Amino acid sequence: GENVEQHPSTLSVQEGDSAVIKCTYSDSASNYFPWYKQELGKRPQLIIDIRSNVGEKKDQRIAVTLNKTAKHFSLHITETQPEDSAVYFCAARGSNDYKLSFGAGTTVTVRA
Amino acid sequence: NAGVTQTPKFQVLKTGQSMTLQCAQDMNHNSMYWYRQDPGMGLRLIYYSASEGTTDKGEVPNGYNVSRLNKREFSLRLESAAPSQTSVYFCAIRIGNQPQHFGDGTRLSIL
Repeated sequence: GENVEQHPSTLSVQEGDSAVIKCTYSDSASNYFPWYKQELGKRPQLIIDIRSNVGEKKDQRIAVTLNKTAKHFSLHITETQPEDSAVYFCAARGSNDYKLSFGAGTTVTVRA
Repeated sequence: NAGVTQTPKFQVLKTGQSMTLQCAQDMNHNSMYWYRQDPGMGLRLIYYSASEGTTDKGEVPNGYNVSRLNKREFSLRLESAAPSQTSVYFCAIRIGNQPQHFGDGTRLSIL
């Protein structure tokens, strides 16, 4: 099955700086890559996603890039704000269209 | 919360007790999922149901059973709870070609 690895596990950034989270996947048939944000005590919520026919996608301060050849994708958050502090999960949908495999998560802390 | 309701929100069990976690959706979607979340391990799929009448194992099915009672409801049962099953359990649905959309979770402690 699909194996998704996520780095780093924790990330501390100064407010206003950028944050980058990287994920790799194992199933070359994977074609869909969502990112979730989970605030403390809350449910994971989708923040951005990318499909395999696209190399980059942006939504305001958030962007995701995908390198299918290398089988890795990344989340970029620019101009970080305190409300960006949360746990972020990457995921990949592989050859089984019904299943999402998740990375272990990155705890992002934005320092004021 | 886009119509995914999980009950209960919190539960404490003793080792060996049984328990059923309930999940209901009000949007008539086919696919429903159960995940568990443990620190440092992300979200791991326990079971899923691609459509009414079907269920399939995920990554960590041992110790659990599921029932897709009808299109709306997908329950997760622990027949004999173990401390290793202490976790936060999330039910999720899939809306069309979108990714999983999660309920608010059930926090389960097994002593």
